[in-house]
Amino acid sequence: DTEVTQTPKHLVMGMTNKKSLKCEQHMGHRAMYWYKQKAKKPPELMFVYSYEKLSINESVPSRFSPECPNSSLLNLHLHALQPEDSALYLCASSQGPRGNQPQHFGDGTRLSIL
Amino acid sequence: DQQVKQNSPSLSVQEGRISILNCDYTNSMFDYFLWYKKYPAEGPTFLISISSIKDKNEDGRFTVFLNKSAKHLSLHIVPSQPGDSAVYFCAASEVTGGGNKLTFGTGTQLKVEL
Repeated sequence: DTEVTQTPKHLVMGMTNKKSLKCEQHMGHRAMYWYKQKAKKPPELMFVYSYEKLSINESVPSRFSPECPNSSLLNLHLHALQPEDSALYLCASSQGPRGNQPQHFGDGTRLSIL
Repeated sequence: DQQVKQNSPSLSVQEGRISILNCDYTNSMFDYFLWYKKYPAEGPTFLISISSIKDKNEDGRFTVFLNKSAKHLSLHIVPSQPGDSAVYFCAASEVTGGGNKLTFGTGTQLKVEL
């Protein structure tokens, strides 16, 4: 059982829609992450939040907007996405932002853009 | 520029034998290395890690070896079990000013046969 919960598990949306992905953890972790994984490829880092502040943005297009309302919750707001944004979106958390703290992943949201 | 490489896309091993998965990296700034296991329709599950100041870490059936001079690490699974069949990702951690960045390898599909 994963201790990082992502909802929804699947999402289909049109290019003009606005939707949000949600991630929750109750392990007391203070660092949270968004990754994107395309088919047959490894996960690629998008954003890092450290103590509820955005600390890394890997040059992600502005149609993806992250939000960290509190230490347990991480959202990814989606607007005007393109078909190439279809992918598995993974959320992860770690105890803190230090390098020797493993990241624990949720099962992801499978996103399809029509 | 693939900074973490897993040159074997697949590996087939008989039950009870040893599985050896390999990983190479190019970035000298990586200082913490992890192995994740991924089943279809699930997120990556953390297996084992090793700090760059060590050359071996063992946890039950899983042992990770690090050869820092060769920029190479490997995961040994002994004895291999059918439930170990999954995709295995090697990942390397780099702590930047903003936090902990994980870079994943391309994965190795392990199949453990009866």
